[in-house]
Amino acid sequence: NAGVTQTPKFQVLKTGQSMTLQCAQDMNHNSMYWYRQDPGMGLRLIYYSASEGTTDKGEVPNGYNVSRLNKREFSLRLESAAPSQTSVYFCASSLSTGANSPLHFGNGTRLTVT
Amino acid sequence: GNSVTQMEGPVTLSEEAFLTINCTYTATGYPSLFWYVQYPGEGLQLLLKATKADDKGSNKGFEATYRKETTSFHLEKGSVQVSDSAVYFCALSDRGNNQAGTALIFGKGTTLSVSS
Repeated sequence: NAGVTQTPKFQVLKTGQSMTLQCAQDMNHNSMYWYRQDPGMGLRLIYYSASEGTTDKGEVPNGYNVSRLNKREFSLRLESAAPSQTSVYFCASSLSTGANSPLHFGNGTRLTVT
Repeated sequence: GNSVTQMEGPVTLSEEAFLTINCTYTATGYPSLFWYVQYPGEGLQLLLKATKADDKGSNKGFEATYRKETTSFHLEKGSVQVSDSAVYFCALSDRGNNQAGTALIFGKGTTLSVSS
């Protein structure tokens, strides 16, 4: 019972490098999300996809792009990494964005940008 | 805008002590309220929720009551265990069950450390 799977678990980048964080869910959920978690800041929403074919900006979208590849997969791309993007990134999914649909989280990707 | 405020941590308790983690919110309309828990090295998982005023959510010995008059959703447990050591997040959603829109808004998290 995989749930939400994120890859990679750890990544170190140099400033200016690019990378894509991958996320896949096997629960047939419609909605998917990318959050970042920073000490003292809690979780902040980067982008979300309410359903396949749609994406919307969250609270902190600058420096990121997303792709909802299909219903299962939602990737997050950093085109030119900056030290301010050092964080733990969590992907989540839910049946819908409604209030009665709890979020299911992956185990996170710890990204360090030097 | 909507927001969630949690008490600062860390909270350090001995096993079997009583736990309260305060959470207050600001929201328009009638939000649903949640507590999520994050164990070390893992993602967040839903602990409990309440969708309307005076509802009490409960799970694994934890409880929280939705208090509209004080805009609060405090988390309580009568007797904590070492295994409860984790980070606890209060969150709100102001979307109705069938409305699309933004995702949950989280508080900053409160770290609980329980010693034996």
